[in-house]
Amino acid sequence: SSELTQDPAVSVALGQTVRITCQADSLRSSYATWYQHKPGQAPVLVVYGQNNRPSGIPDRFSGSYSGNTASLTITGAQAEDEADYYCLSRGSDGNHLRAFGGGTKLTVL
Amino acid sequence: QVQLVQSGAEVKKPGSSVKVSCRASGGSFTNYAVSWVREAPGQGLEWLGRVIPISTITNYAQKFQGRVTIVADKSTNTVYMELRNLRSDDTAIYYCARDGEDYVSGKYYYYMDVWGKGTTVTVSS
Repeated sequence: SSELTQDPAVSVALGQTVRITCQADSLRSSYATWYQHKPGQAPVLVVYGQNNRPSGIPDRFSGSYSGNTASLTITGAQAEDEADYYCLSRGSDGNHLRAFGGGTKLTVL
Repeated sequence: QVQLVQSGAEVKKPGSSVKVSCRASGGSFTNYAVSWVREAPGQGLEWLGRVIPISTITNYAQKFQGRVTIVADKSTNTVYMELRNLRSDDTAIYYCARDGEDYVSGKYYYYMDVWGKGTTVTVSS
């Protein structure tokens, strides 16, 4: 099982808002990084740090935090947002290791 | 902008080893680490380990300790990942990624911002 806990699947109606969460003790002292992953493609970084987006990522993607939970919010979900989403943070073996959440499959209805 | 170019698909027998390469094109790994991540069929992303090319320091996920080795060749800007004693459940797409970290407002964040296209490794008898 993953050190970072995500819901396996979430669905959202086209144009509506959806929140994907990631829970871990490490998130009390570190930020999450969020990835979008589509079949046959490399993962794409969508949100990192407090709430930053790389160049080219639409502003409908945003990040937030509460306690040991990080959230990725998609405001006005589009059909092309249908994908698997993963959080990344520090692993439990030390400050310099990495761990991914189990992933959330987002379906846009 | 640096691109990561990975070696081609591999088919291996159980018990054998595989070595996958990742070369930086249009840049180098200076100031970054290189991580290896895999995705097995029907499974999520899994971090195997990383190397910091400038220092050759390595970190491995506990699950793969003793079975994986990641090395960097600074002269060719290439990182290699070797996985030994292969099993059928090692069948996966293996990605290399440029790995960094930063410290902002009292917290670290970790990121992999440039990814290779992936190398399919199939383990089958």
